[in-house]
Amino acid sequence: GEDVEQSLFLSVREGDSSVINCTYTDSSSTYLYWYKQEPGAGLQLLTYIFSNMDMKQDQRLTVLLNKKDKHLSLRIADTQTGDSAIYFCAELWNSGNTPLVFGKGTRLSVIA
Amino acid sequence: DTEVTQTPKHLVMGMTNKKSLKCEQHMGHRAMYWYKQKAKKPPELMFVYSYEKLSINESVPSRFSPECPNSSLLNLHLHALQPEDSALYLCASSQDFWGGDRYGYTFGSGTRLTVV
Repeated sequence: GEDVEQSLFLSVREGDSSVINCTYTDSSSTYLYWYKQEPGAGLQLLTYIFSNMDMKQDQRLTVLLNKKDKHLSLRIADTQTGDSAIYFCAELWNSGNTPLVFGKGTRLSVIA
Repeated sequence: DTEVTQTPKHLVMGMTNKKSLKCEQHMGHRAMYWYKQKAKKPPELMFVYSYEKLSINESVPSRFSPECPNSSLLNLHLHALQPEDSALYLCASSQDFWGGDRYGYTFGSGTRLTVV
C-alpha cells in the first residue's frame, strides 16, 4: 500500500537549522521530492533525490535518504522567516501507472 | 516557458451555476493532472491525462468533468457543485506519466473555489 508519513508541525528560530522528516512504505520508489507551499499558493518543487543516492545538497538544502529504513529528510540550514511554509515530501513509484504520492505535509514556523 | 498557468485565480459560484477552470502549459509535457486541496491537507488527485487521454479518474463525482482539448490545455468543468467542494484546485503537468525525472510535477498556483 502507499503511505507517506510526516510530522505535522515544526517550529525553529531564525538562523537555526530545520530538519523535516518523512517515512515512506514503497521500496520501489524511483524519485523522492520535496515541495514547498506558501499560503494561498501552489506547490513549488524544492529538490529531489533519486533512489540510488544517499544524499543531495543544494545550497541551504540537504536531502538524506535512508533506503533501509525508508526514511527521507530535508535539512534547511540558516532557516529564514521566508522559509515558513508547508513542506510536502512525495514519492514516485516504479510501478509505471501510479502518480506521485504526497505526505500530509509539515508546517514549518520560523520565529524571528 | 516553465510555468503552469491557471485561470481564474478565484471563483465564487452558486450551486446551480456552470463554470470552468482552465490550465495551460507550454513545456511540451504530455501528462496533466487535476488535484483538489482542502485547507491544511495534502493535494488529493482527481484526474490524470496522459497523451490527451484520461488515464485515471479517482472516483470523482460526475459534477466534475475534465477535458483535455489538446496537449497544452486542461479544463475542469463544474456543474451543480456543493459547498463542500470549496477548495483550492491545482493543475500540474509532467514530462510523461510513466516515469519520473528530476523535475517532478510542475504545479500551477491554483484556483480558489468557493461554492455558495
